[in-house]
Amino acid sequence: SQQGEEDPQALSIQEGENATMNCSYKTSINNLQWYRQNSGRGLVHLILIRSNEREKHSGRLRVTLDTSKKSSSLLITASRAADTASYFCATDLYTGANSKLTFGKGITLSVRP
Amino acid sequence: SQTIHQWPATLVQPVGSPLSLECTVEGTSNPNLYWYRQAAGRGLQLLFYSVGIGQISSEVPQNLSASRPQDRQFILSSKKLLLSDSGFYLCAWSLQGNSPLHFGNGTRLTVT
Repeated sequence: SQQGEEDPQALSIQEGENATMNCSYKTSINNLQWYRQNSGRGLVHLILIRSNEREKHSGRLRVTLDTSKKSSSLLITASRAADTASYFCATDLYTGANSKLTFGKGITLSVRP
Repeated sequence: SQTIHQWPATLVQPVGSPLSLECTVEGTSNPNLYWYRQAAGRGLQLLFYSVGIGQISSEVPQNLSASRPQDRQFILSSKKLLLSDSGFYLCAWSLQGNSPLHFGNGTRLTVT
């Protein structure tokens, strides 16, 4: 079964609106990461949040982590058509050399111009 | 800066034929290397990972194998492809420890 599961599966918004995507996981983690994938391409790392952090920002991205609820959210503010892509959360359970990421199924975001 | 190369971009192979996908990384030493497979609507499945030359860990028993003959080279192979091997194969690298993955552009494999 998937460790991380994103919600919703698909999201369609108007350019300029904010997009909020959620991720839930089942077991304790070392860190949680968000990735973006344009159609037919590899994934690109967006942001990493460690288990002892609650919020991180990077440009128009804001990620929160609630370890008590085992959930994370990715907020994209003032969305643009170029933000159209699939977004994945990935959880890292272990430390050091045993580090391995487990990915969710992804959220398809469409931003209408 | 570091770069990752993965080839070919697309591949159509008949059932029963062999497979060899190659991935190389430049600009870093002793990276962790990974092979993932992405099926439509199913997210990414970790197939193999390697923390050093000749060290391969398999996550899912299947028709595939991986090798790391050099520090920055990772190869995914099969002796006889199955229809179920079709998918989008992604190679990735990371620094040792809990660091982000850097992905190649993937290989779209269609087994006919």
